[in-house]
Amino acid sequence: SQQGEEDPQALSIQEGENATMNCSYKTSINNLQWYRQNSGRGLVHLILIRSNEREKHSGRLRVTLDTSKKSSSLLITASRAADTASYFCATGHTGGFKTIFGAGTRLFVKA
Amino acid sequence: ETGVTQTPRHLVMGMTNKKSLKCEQHLGHNAMYWYKQSAKKPLELMFVYNFKEQTENNSVPSRFSPECPNSSHLFLHLHTLQPEDSALYLCASSQEIGAGARDTQYFGPGTRLTVL
Repeated sequence: SQQGEEDPQALSIQEGENATMNCSYKTSINNLQWYRQNSGRGLVHLILIRSNEREKHSGRLRVTLDTSKKSSSLLITASRAADTASYFCATGHTGGFKTIFGAGTRLFVKA
Repeated sequence: ETGVTQTPRHLVMGMTNKKSLKCEQHLGHNAMYWYKQSAKKPLELMFVYNFKEQTENNSVPSRFSPECPNSSHLFLHLHTLQPEDSALYLCASSQEIGAGARDTQYFGPGTRLTVL
């Protein structure tokens, strides 16, 4: 069964605005990762947050993790047209279990 | 450039053809993956190899046959495919499986497959 589920499915904003995407999951995790995919291309890893971390930053990206609610959010500040892409969360587990990807949020940033 | 290459980038084949997709990683990773990505569907994990051994076959039809001759190369052999198999096939690698940060996956650009 699918682990991560992103919300919203699609998001359209103006350049300069902030974009927030959410991810919910069902079972305990070791870490949670966010990936980005430009249309028709492979996924690119953005950021990983461990289960004992609550917040992490990387450039214009801010990720939060709330293990009590089994949810994470990705915030992109001061968005640019080049941020237009699909964003996926993926949950990582210990013990040889695979990383599971959600269905993704499609972000469109209008110039 | 992620260090994972896939060939061909585009492939059109008939239902009776036999073709192979190739993936190569230059990252020294031990785990490799095949995913299928269809329009408006979540990424579907197909196969996982860890140290050249297949550890996951996610109920994939036998018309898809993976091969992992070494830790750097992964193939997906295709035969008698159906039109619904048309999709973007993505290869990925990671240092390990289920090892925290070391299972961060690095993806190739994908092969866009069209089955006529």
